[in-house]
Amino acid sequence: GAVVSQHPSWVICKSGTSVKIECRSLDFQATTMFWYRQFPKQSLMLMATSNEGSKATYEQGVEKDKFLINHASLTLSTLTVTSAHPEDSSFYICSARDPKTGIGGTEAFFGQGTRLTVV
Amino acid sequence: DAKTTQPPSMDCAEGRAANLPCNHSTISGNEYVYWYRQIHSQGPQYIIHGLKNNETNEMASLIITEDRKSSTLILPHATLRDTAVYYCIVRGGGSNYKLTFGKGTLLTVNP
Repeated sequence: GAVVSQHPSWVICKSGTSVKIECRSLDFQATTMFWYRQFPKQSLMLMATSNEGSKATYEQGVEKDKFLINHASLTLSTLTVTSAHPEDSSFYICSARDPKTGIGGTEAFFGQGTRLTVV
Repeated sequence: DAKTTQPPSMDCAEGRAANLPCNHSTISGNEYVYWYRQIHSQGPQYIIHGLKNNETNEMASLIITEDRKSSTLILPHATLRDTAVYYCIVRGGGSNYKLTFGKGTLLTVNP
């Protein structure tokens, strides 16, 4: 299947600093990418949907000024956690949609996730 | 997208078939059933999907009831590496292709 790569796999940062997480589709062009957050022992929660060349659409309750999403190219989307706090510590996962697959296709390929720890 | 209900956990012996049920009684005609799994501390992995007919691939089989209100994912010969949380997701075309994850089923394969 298609490959989606996230970087870094894990990061530790100090409270108040910003952290950028990259999500790349390696062998296809992703017009749409999704960012999820997962707290321990919980399911994935969708944070936002980003479409290449346009503003991201955030889910209810997700602060767009805190979680900045940029999808400047068809193979790269970035999530920046600004002014990070310990409560932002979580597992962040991206997924990318291959537009060549239709409604019945697999469509969503996931990155390996980024473990963020804010100290 | 229709809501799904899965048992929180299941156990299976290594080498035996694992049958994971999913209830999606409010599914509508144009919604597909997708199965993903998540091994601890990794991103979800696609397994299989279907609309009406039963489906099989190298990983698993998907059995969808005739009324489409429930489905079963079958791992024919479970291995220890199949221990994971399995998510059943119903998704239609009008939801911008986003996947909404429920709590899933933690499948533990025992030696």
